[in-house]
Amino acid sequence: DIQMTQSPSTLSASVGDRVTITCRASQSIDIWLAWYQQKPGKAPKLLIYKASSLESGVPSRFSGSGSGTEFTLSISSLQPDDFATYFCQQYNTYWGTFGQGTKLEIK
Amino acid sequence: EVQLVESGGGLVKPGGSLRLSCAASGFTFSYYSMNWVRQAPGKGLEWVSSLTSSGTYTYYADSVKGRFTISRDNAKNSLYLQMNTLRAEDTAVYYCARDRGFGEQPDAFDIWGQGTVVTVSS
Repeated sequence: DIQMTQSPSTLSASVGDRVTITCRASQSIDIWLAWYQQKPGKAPKLLIYKASSLESGVPSRFSGSGSGTEFTLSISSLQPDDFATYFCQQYNTYWGTFGQGTKLEIK
Repeated sequence: EVQLVESGGGLVKPGGSLRLSCAASGFTFSYYSMNWVRQAPGKGLEWVSSLTSSGTYTYYADSVKGRFTISRDNAKNSLYLQMNTLRAEDTAVYYCARDRGFGEQPDAFDIWGQGTVVTVSS
């Protein structure tokens, strides 16, 4: 099975900062990677699909990159609404493994 | 409005059964593969099961294989998860989620329900 490893597990940042979260796959998944944002008590929200494609309605400060086994999610200028937990997910296979999550906290 | 609404969660004893339902609206349900994802209290997301748009192919996480069965009724725009032989470690919020694209290849999940809580405890 493909394992997904996110880093860091927790990230402290301030409004206006640029942040980057990394996701590594245990084997190549080409570009079949998604990023989700989840707030407490809410369902996840799709941000990025196919590694770098921005989902409709998602602010352009979110961007994704990578292919193969290493991927990043970047937020160019943090807004108060962005403090949440972020998950990556591979969908190279139907058993779509998620990363363990990165909690983005206010510094 | 495109929407998924789960129901059927609750408190069940270890070894018991539950059937979750997910009602879809606002889109042509039969075009999309559908999925169940769960989240244990304070934990991350765990993919549970997927069912292709035609209903031909089903996929399960090893942790639920042989105990859970995913199914759909395209006439009723509904997805189901029959959960048998439940264990304490199945306690979680269960979400249904839609594949982003048409067809039967794996895809990202673009529409999620609000979740239904399953608690397995004696």
